[in-house]
Amino acid sequence: GEDVEQSLFLSVREGDSSVINCTYTDSSSTYLYWYKQEPGAGLQLLTYIFSNMDMKQDQRLTVLLNKKDKHLSLRIADTQTGDSAIYFCAEFYYGGSQGNLIFGKGTKLSVKP
Amino acid sequence: EAGVVQSPRYKIIEKKQPVAFWCNPISGHNTLYWYLQNLGQGPELLIRYENEEAVDDSQLPKDRFSAERLKGVDSTLKIQPAELGDSAVYLCASSSPGLAGGLKDTQYFGPGTRLTVL
Repeated sequence: GEDVEQSLFLSVREGDSSVINCTYTDSSSTYLYWYKQEPGAGLQLLTYIFSNMDMKQDQRLTVLLNKKDKHLSLRIADTQTGDSAIYFCAEFYYGGSQGNLIFGKGTKLSVKP
Repeated sequence: EAGVVQSPRYKIIEKKQPVAFWCNPISGHNTLYWYLQNLGQGPELLIRYENEEAVDDSQLPKDRFSAERLKGVDSTLKIQPAELGDSAVYLCASSSPGLAGGLKDTQYFGPGTRLTVL
């Protein structure tokens, strides 16, 4: 079945850049997403990228997509303590006649002051 | 614009008791999803509605779980009877058909209901 893999933990110092990586299996994915989940909260949509794009930048966030390697990354510039959270990569793919969102297990980002 | 609303936020029950969760999606979103999120895992789809029709319930354990979306707006997810292994966060999400603005199929999540079964 479809699978999304992420490393489980990342620790950085405040002010550094964070890079969270993700690999996915379905080459026909149309969109790929990054969601953020803070403790006790639901998932907040951070950004997305169309599968026909290589890069998308949104303020401090940069998403890179390598479709050949099925690799997605999220770079957070000037990481702040408020960025500490779990980040989920998700691919949207069509299985049969329906679209589904498949999530990774999440990467826990810890930002040290 | 209000986001996806869920209630209750927390629920503690004893095993074998029934429990129900409620979700109100973003206005204009005709697709509604219920997800299960176990500790340390990503969300997993339980059921998906297009308006009032359940179009994908293949992952819903139908022996004890049921869901409804009678008027195609808000939805209820029920567990009866609850088991210890049902302790998790139940997330509701909705998405737009892309007609009235908003990226088609992009899902927006509610805060979730954290269920603890004792």
